[in-house]
Amino acid sequence: NAGVTQTPKFQVLKTGQSMTLQCAQDMNHEYMSWYRQDPGMGLRLIHYSVGAGITDQGEVPNGYNVSRSTTEDFPLRLLSAAPSQTSVYFCASSYSIQETQYFGPGTRLLVL
Amino acid sequence: KQEVTQIPAALSVPEGENLVLNCSFTDSAIYNLQWFRQDPGKGLTSLLLIQSSQREQTSGRLNASLDKSSGRSTLYIAASQPGDSATYLCAVRRGGSEKLVFGKGMKLTVNP
Repeated sequence: NAGVTQTPKFQVLKTGQSMTLQCAQDMNHEYMSWYRQDPGMGLRLIHYSVGAGITDQGEVPNGYNVSRSTTEDFPLRLLSAAPSQTSVYFCASSYSIQETQYFGPGTRLLVL
Repeated sequence: KQEVTQIPAALSVPEGENLVLNCSFTDSAIYNLQWFRQDPGKGLTSLLLIQSSQREQTSGRLNASLDKSSGRSTLYIAASQPGDSATYLCAVRRGGSEKLVFGKGMKLTVNP
């Protein structure tokens, strides 16, 4: 199993540009989530999904969209990038929220 | 609102010491608690998951305990090694919630 994979590893955007961060898992996990990690702020939940077709907002959802058309994929879309979205983004998955969370390697995003 | 605190933020010790890492949470109505390890520039790796009905979990040199009534968990690392150097994070899931709340982590340095 590849586990949780994220692409790209690093991205530079200009303010106002849009992009999609990809996340995929091959463990048949129902629960998937996106976090951002910032110095001094810790990990904060952006959006999560409990299964294909079901998504919900986390702690800091503004400026981000998600969809879950398949069990394997959970992309995160930045609609109009802002410098405040400069961060490291992590995707995680598990069989359910009650189970061990598996994290991807992260995407470092710099918005100029 | 659930808040998770890890004190101290950093710890530097000589190799061979037995260590206790602390995690406290404000709302005792948790479903489970998870300890993670994060190496620089990497994603999070799950170390131990403790369900609310459990008092402790063990894996190799690691032992995690949970005291819900006092809002505390400890991660015990026996005979620390330089390879244990990393940031350790704890996260709790509140009963009835689909969300994990993370502490800000504790950076551990084990000196040879």
